[in-house]
Amino acid sequence: DADVTQTPRNRITKTGKRIMLECSQTKGHDRMYWYRQDPGLGLRLIYYSFDVKDINKGEISDGYSVSRQAQAKFSLSLESAIPNQTALYFCATSAGGQGEQYFGPGTRLTVT
Amino acid sequence: QKEVEQNSGPLSVPEGAIASLNCTYSDRGSQSFFWYRQYSGKSPELIMSIYSNGDKEDGRFTAQLNKASQYVSLLIRDSQPSDSATYLCAVERANNLFFGTGTRLTVIP
Repeated sequence: DADVTQTPRNRITKTGKRIMLECSQTKGHDRMYWYRQDPGLGLRLIYYSFDVKDINKGEISDGYSVSRQAQAKFSLSLESAIPNQTALYFCATSAGGQGEQYFGPGTRLTVT
Repeated sequence: QKEVEQNSGPLSVPEGAIASLNCTYSDRGSQSFFWYRQYSGKSPELIMSIYSNGDKEDGRFTAQLNKASQYVSLLIRDSQPSDSATYLCAVERANNLFFGTGTRLTVIP
C-alpha cells in the first residue's frame, strides 16, 4: 500500500464550487504539506503543518484553506473554485530533521 | 532572483552517456539539498540528498555540492532511456523546501 495517498485523483468542477482534496499518510511523519504544480512554474507551497495544532501559510495560500484532522490526515479546501486554480496538487510528508519530503500521487484538478 | 534556478532544458543525451544537471540557489544559509525525479504525470520521487560539500554517490547517481559557489549538480552515469524524466532540484530554507522548475532529460536509445 502507498505510504501517502490522495483522494480524489482527478476532479473536474465548476467555477464557484467548494472542493476538498484529502491526504492521508502511514509514514508516521509529523509534517505535512500541500503544493500545486503548474507548467513552467514548478512546485509552489500552499500550506504546511508541522503538527496537528500547527498550520502555516505557504507562498500561495490565497483562495485555499486547510485542516489537519489528525497526524495522518491533512485536507486542502478551495472555498470557491476559480479556473486559475486548475493545476496538479500534491501532498507531501516529512519527518523533519534534514528535510526529505515524500510525495503522494497527486490530484489533477480542473476548474471550468 | 529566484530561490532555486535550473536550466529547463530539454537536455538530450545518448544512451550510455553521462547526463549532467545543474542547479543554483540564492540563500547561503541553506543546509540541505535534494534531487527529485518526476515522470510525466507522476509525483516527484526523491533520488538523492546531500548536506555537505563534495560528492555523494549512489549507484549511477552522483550529487555534487559547492556551498561557496551555491550550486548543486547531479550526474547520471550510463544513462538509460528509463532515466528520461524531469529532474527537480530542491533546497531547504526555514524548514521548507524550495523547488526549481526542473530540467527535462531525454535519453536517446
